Amino acid sequence: DVKVTQSSRYLVKRTGEKVFLECVQDMDHENMFWYRQDPGLGLRLIYFSYDVKMKEKGDIPEGYSVSREKKERFSLILESASTNQTSMYLCASSTGLGQPQHFGDGTRLSIL
Amino acid sequence: KQEVTQIPAALSVPEGENLVLNCSFTDSAIYNLQWFRQDPGKGLTSLLLIQSSQREQTSGRLNASLDKSSGRSTLYIAASQPGDSATYLCAVRNTGGFKTIFGAGTRLFVKA
Repeated sequence: DVKVTQSSRYLVKRTGEKVFLECVQDMDHENMFWYRQDPGLGLRLIYFSYDVKMKEKGDIPEGYSVSREKKERFSLILESASTNQTSMYLCASSTGLGQPQHFGDGTRLSIL
Repeated sequence: KQEVTQIPAALSVPEGENLVLNCSFTDSAIYNLQWFRQDPGKGLTSLLLIQSSQREQTSGRLNASLDKSSGRSTLYIAASQPGDSATYLCAVRNTGGFKTIFGAGTRLFVKA
């Protein structure tokens, strides 16, 4: 079974902090994704990576950056956290864009 | 612009009932459609993926159908159980892109 692991289930940070969310997959998948999920807005794509050091902006990249130095790890960075970034963050991976996406358990991030 | 709609938003049924969840999409130029299950506070679990060339997929008590021309997919759950209680999301990937568009989900409650 594919395993996508997000480093924290719950995280509380303060405004202005630099926040790192980590995601690791164990199936050598090329594609990795970061989404945020908010009530009434559903899942929205923040960033997508199709290979090491390669990335594409999703629908809501503002205020975020990503890093993919190794194939198995995809990091989401909040450069200067703000309260409107309080959300559930979900990481996913897939072998190819035509293949199923597999999700981690999510990180519920609160910015105070 | 692709839009994905799931109706109803919530559904409550007695245990043992067969049920159908609906998903509609506005642009028929899709690559595939995926159904997910999400338990409260958790990530998404992939249930079924239907490629655009397929009409249906089955896994255990679940059957998903796809009618591209009418922009519809259904998820059929046979002999529902309380453990099926969760939110079910459908997601569409369009041709020619990397983004997946998610519906808002149907929250299912199966009463014992």
